[in-house]
Amino acid sequence: EVQLVESGGGLVQPGASLKLSCVASGFTFSDYWMSWVRQTPGKTMEWIGDIKYDGSYTNYAPSLKNRFTISRDNAKSTLYLQMSNVRSEDTATYYCTRGPITSNWFAYWGQGTLVTVSS
Amino acid sequence: DVVMTQTPVSMSVSLGGQVSISCRSSQSLVHNNGNTYLSWYIQKPSQSPQLLIYKVSNRFSGISDRFSGSGSGTDFTLKISRVEPDDLGVYYCGQGTQYPPTFGAGTKLELK
Repeated sequence: EVQLVESGGGLVQPGASLKLSCVASGFTFSDYWMSWVRQTPGKTMEWIGDIKYDGSYTNYAPSLKNRFTISRDNAKSTLYLQMSNVRSEDTATYYCTRGPITSNWFAYWGQGTLVTVSS
Repeated sequence: DVVMTQTPVSMSVSLGGQVSISCRSSQSLVHNNGNTYLSWYIQKPSQSPQLLIYKVSNRFSGISDRFSGSGSGTDFTLKISRVEPDDLGVYYCGQGTQYPPTFGAGTKLELK
């Protein structure tokens, strides 16, 4: 059974940094592109970015490219999202997702981790 | 970015009834490889989104045949027949043809 378990969310002050993790199981992690998708309190869904199966290539939503970094450790079957200089509009539930092989659709989602940016 | 427009925003249905949700994209979703990467998701209350349909009309593993997807180019439809209580929630369409992948704003399905 495919499982994606995110962690690392919480309350963070504006301008701070935060690193989210997603531990994957039930499939060969190193075979798949992985993505982060977030959902705002208003329920808007926004794709953040993805990373190639070997970690050699990443894509980002243009509006987030300069502040967010996606990485992975295939030996630990873990996906990461490094968030820097966070803003109130980054308040959202962050989901780790997996597609078929690439990111053309999102077949599996984690339970999400809530990030709240507030002073 | 490709803008995905869903209608209606919300709708109410009787159990056992049928509903259709529309999704329109601002650009054609036909990829250079000939595939159309339009997908549908349901988010039930307090749960993560779940994939229902991919590539317009392909049901994901374990999804009932009461769910069907259709459409082409820029216009797509999700139909749900014989609505059951477990079908209630918010439905999203999404496109994965062009980067960045984008989603519609959602259609909330409620009981009449």
